[in-house]
Amino acid sequence: EIVLTQSPGTVSLSPGERVTLSCRASHSVPRNYVAWYQQRPGQAPRFLIYGASTRGTDIPDRFSGSGSGTDFTLTVSRLEPEDFAVYYCQQYGSSPLTFGPGTKVDFK
Amino acid sequence: EVQLVESGGGLIQPGRSLRLSCVASGFTFDDYVLHWVRQAPGKGLEWVSGISWNSGRIAYADSVKGRFTISRDNAKNSLYLQMNSLRAEDMALYYCVKDYSSNWDEMGIFENWGRGTLVTVST
Repeated sequence: EIVLTQSPGTVSLSPGERVTLSCRASHSVPRNYVAWYQQRPGQAPRFLIYGASTRGTDIPDRFSGSGSGTDFTLTVSRLEPEDFAVYYCQQYGSSPLTFGPGTKVDFK
Repeated sequence: EVQLVESGGGLIQPGRSLRLSCVASGFTFDDYVLHWVRQAPGKGLEWVSGISWNSGRIAYADSVKGRFTISRDNAKNSLYLQMNSLRAEDMALYYCVKDYSSNWDEMGIFENWGRGTLVTVST
């Protein structure tokens, strides 16, 4: 099983700032099959990125993903108020499908 | 617009059974892989099970293998999860999820989510 670790656990920022979230895998993720999701309080997760770097439909371009092998990142270039949420990475290159524990982005 | 509406959750005693349902609309149901993903209160996300478009391929997390059974009825645009021998650690919000892919070998992108149905396991 591929175990995903996310850092930091929590980051406190202000609107307009840039944030980079890290996701590290215990083993190389086949085909860089990593996805990212956003979860706002009380809501279902929202799909953001797949294949490490491809945005989903209608996802704003302030969200970008990168990485390969065992190290992946999600960057939000300029935080909007609605971006303050928990972000999860997930790998789908190997069964079982696994998620990271999440990074919370909250208001400074 | 894709819609996924779960039902069937509730309070259940340990060791008992429960069946979750999900009715889908807004897409060609039998074109896609579908999943159940759960979230314990205040915790992260855990994939539970996935099923291919024709039910020919099925996979489970080790934590539920042998106790849970996923199925689908394409004629009714419905996905199910039969949960037997429930444990306290199964208590969670269960999401019905549509995959981005119709190809089992590329499955695992959780594109569309329902709002979830809450399963509470307690005496």
